[in-house]
Amino acid sequence: GAGVSQSPSNKVTEKGKDVELRCDPISGHTALYWYRQRLGQGLEFLIYFQGNSAPDKSGLPSDRFSAERTGESVSTLTIQRTQQEDSAVYLCASSSGLAGTDTQYFGPGTRLTVL
Amino acid sequence: AQKVTQAQTEISVVEKEDVTLDCVYETRDTTYYLFWYKQPPSGELVFLIRRNSFDEQNEISGRYSWNFQKSTSSFNFTITASQVVDSAVYFCALIYNQGGKLIFGQGTELSVKP
Repeated sequence: GAGVSQSPSNKVTEKGKDVELRCDPISGHTALYWYRQRLGQGLEFLIYFQGNSAPDKSGLPSDRFSAERTGESVSTLTIQRTQQEDSAVYLCASSSGLAGTDTQYFGPGTRLTVL
Repeated sequence: AQKVTQAQTEISVVEKEDVTLDCVYETRDTTYYLFWYKQPPSGELVFLIRRNSFDEQNEISGRYSWNFQKSTSSFNFTITASQVVDSAVYFCALIYNQGGKLIFGQGTELSVKP
């Protein structure tokens, strides 16, 4: 597609359940990023992929969070045993180039609500 | 430490007024990249501009202009003759030489009233 796509757009889950969020980057973009935006707050970096390796996963808040990427395409962010504080919009971005300094283009986000 | 500060949390103007959004950054790197993004009520982050640390030329794009000053570590954004459609949250962000993550400021919520 022309832009970054994410699915689902909305996800409501119960505390303790696992969720998977998906991101399809712009075709040809080697770098992929996940961010989190809690209500009324700024954006927090979670993880950065270059190809299917993750040179920087320093932003993952706990071991309940994990992410993987297949080649230079789809990425999945998994949150296990969700907690209410995980409620946020999860944004994915992609960029071209190998240095990780190119412009990042964002998807529409997945709004996660943990009840 | 790498940090971006947007001291203005909310700004409210009347249509056709000019408005400047402030951004101050901190980095020890000599090579870095600065960005502005717009987040309208729909929620999607829209890229506006990218600047690298070697290019201090100011930029104008229609009603938008950016003033990059390394001496004051600032990258301010001005909207001339604001319009209601400019209402959004605006984020300033930094990538330093290591690459990868964008470091965002807290955002400035701009409200343009008719």
